Amino acid sequence: AQKITQTQPGMFVQEKEAVTLDCTYDTSDPSYGLFWYKQPSSGEMIFLIYQGSYDQQNATEGRYSLNFQKARKSANLVISASQLGDSAMYFCAMREGSGGFKTIFGAGTRLFVKA
Amino acid sequence: NAGVTQTPKFQVLKTGQSMTLQCAQDMNHNSMYWYRQDPGMGLRLIYYSASEGTTDKGEVPNGYNVSRLNKREFSLRLESAAPSQTSVYFCASSLNQGLYAEQYFGPGTRLTVT
Repeated sequence: AQKITQTQPGMFVQEKEAVTLDCTYDTSDPSYGLFWYKQPSSGEMIFLIYQGSYDQQNATEGRYSLNFQKARKSANLVISASQLGDSAMYFCAMREGSGGFKTIFGAGTRLFVKA
Repeated sequence: NAGVTQTPKFQVLKTGQSMTLQCAQDMNHNSMYWYRQDPGMGLRLIYYSASEGTTDKGEVPNGYNVSRLNKREFSLRLESAAPSQTSVYFCASSLNQGLYAEQYFGPGTRLTVT
């Protein structure tokens, strides 16, 4: 069963606008961590933001915030004030405490920022 | 700090050939990982090493072997390459195996098997 689902293969956003990238996950483990990574066209994987299952507040890192809705099992990434350099693939990932701490990645969403 | 380095960056193999992908990290991390990335499938874990001297299978280990040579180095070996192993391979490391451990990735190796 797929544990991380990213339903948007591609997204377009106008420069300076906000955009939300969707991520839903499936786990029965009460302890887990959720990650977002960015992969620009150059290919490297860049860590953006982390949310723990027991964290009471949504994580924020600069222009990135994670909209964590535990009951709905969703962990959407919000990018505010989009920039041209935000054009990239974005991956949602999960690590379960009972899964040997292995990280599972979603299929990714490609974001295009328009000038 | 170089972070996580991988060699080679690109490689073309014929079916049946063998090769070893090298990975090294200089962050004194305990845990290291090998992933493959195929179009439309995200990253899938091949093998990981929680600490020096240990290795474990991930999601897609068939056709691969690994060696944790020391704390810094973690190599991935393809004994008899197959076209299905055409992919981009990423090495990563993290301080430990904790739930919140952020992984740092290398630049990737693009492998084509003909």
